[in-house]
Amino acid sequence: SQKIEQNSEALNIQEGKTATLTCNYTNYSPAYLQWYRQDPGRGPVFLLLIRENEKEKRKERLKVTFDTTLKQSLFHITASQPADSATYLCALESEGSYIPTFGRGTSLIVHP
Amino acid sequence: GAVVSQHPSRVICKSGTSVKIECRSLDFQATTMFWYRQFPKQSLMLMATSNEGSKATYEQGVEKDKFLINHASLTLSTLTVTSAHPEDSSFYICSARSPRTSTDTQYFGPGTRLTVL
Repeated sequence: SQKIEQNSEALNIQEGKTATLTCNYTNYSPAYLQWYRQDPGRGPVFLLLIRENEKEKRKERLKVTFDTTLKQSLFHITASQPADSATYLCALESEGSYIPTFGRGTSLIVHP
Repeated sequence: GAVVSQHPSRVICKSGTSVKIECRSLDFQATTMFWYRQFPKQSLMLMATSNEGSKATYEQGVEKDKFLINHASLTLSTLTVTSAHPEDSSFYICSARSPRTSTDTQYFGPGTRLTVL
């Protein structure tokens, strides 16, 4: 069965450092991979989408990589700030599906 | 970006009552909306896909008679939890796709926290 794995342990880092979150998947050939941010008691907020034929995408302090051979995506936040503390979800979507499947998310805590 | 609202944000009800949750796309028309449920520290689980003017498509294991979905207009979908029980307590989130964005991304509402006593 399709499986999306995100580290269930919280990632604690110091302000100013680069945070790197991992999303691994099995039994899946996604056409798109998305990253969302979710704050406690709130709905997810879309951050970035990367397509299967793209290796890397950037948006301001965010960078996403997509390795379809390793079946892995890495999500980087450079110069992290305490305001970046949240849970980050990855979501995979097949071509023509229009319905992404979400991972459980990884909590990021940036300490001042 | 596209804005999706939900109402109420929080509801507490007695067991056996019905609760209606509204989801609105505020600045775009959404022919399709999605309803998710999320338990603490769990991923979002899709419950159903709501299509304007037609019946909703429910995911396997979701009782359509318990979770009534109505998509009456291009900007409004409602989820009614009928005869709610404590095990229905959860965080319910709707989303809609904005046709204006090239990425065809889903935009989520802020969620509704349902607590059934």
